[in-house]
Amino acid sequence: EIVLTQSPGTLSLSPGERATLSCRASQSVTSSYLAWYQQKPGQAPRLLIYGASSRATGIPDRFSGSGSGTDFTLTISRLEPEDFAVYSCQQYGSSPLTFGGGTKVEIK
Amino acid sequence: QLQLQESGPGLVKPSETLSLTCTVSGGSISSSSYYWGWIRQPPGKGLEWIGSIYYSGSTYTPSLKSRVTISVDTSKNQFSLKVNSVTAADTAVYYCARSVTTSTFDYWGQGTLVTVSS
Repeated sequence: EIVLTQSPGTLSLSPGERATLSCRASQSVTSSYLAWYQQKPGQAPRLLIYGASSRATGIPDRFSGSGSGTDFTLTISRLEPEDFAVYSCQQYGSSPLTFGGGTKVEIK
Repeated sequence: QLQLQESGPGLVKPSETLSLTCTVSGGSISSSSYYWGWIRQPPGKGLEWIGSIYYSGSTYTPSLKSRVTISVDTSKNQFSLKVNSVTAADTAVYYCARSVTTSTFDYWGQGTLVTVSS
């Protein structure tokens, strides 16, 4: 099973700042099958990024994903008020599907 | 617009069976293009994939495989989850979701909290 470790656990930033979130896999993720989700309190996760760098339908271009192998990054170029949330990564290159523990992006 | 809605008891006693149903509207659950899955999230913790069902079978995470069954009722456009012999560790928000094969989940239900307690 691939274990995904996200860092930092919490990121305290101000609106307009750049956020850089990390997701590290315990072994190489096949074909960069890595996704990112956003989750707000009391809501279901929303798919942001798939295939490590492709934005899902309707996702603003301030969200970008990069990486390959075992190291992946989600970048939010300029934080908007609605971007403060928990972000989780997920690998789907091998079974079982696994998720990271999440990074909380909070208002500083 | 595809919508998914979980339903079932919010409280289950230890050692009993947790049963949830996901009703799909705005699309057919019979499509061979999609998988239908269950994911859970214990309070304050990360997401855990439980398993998925598709037109020719089902697949489960190994840690829960011995206790979990996912089934589908195409006549009602629903799929269901059963978890046997539950303990407090099974307390979580349970989500149903759609994926294209076992990949990313693009549509989710709102989630339902299931508490295991006597």
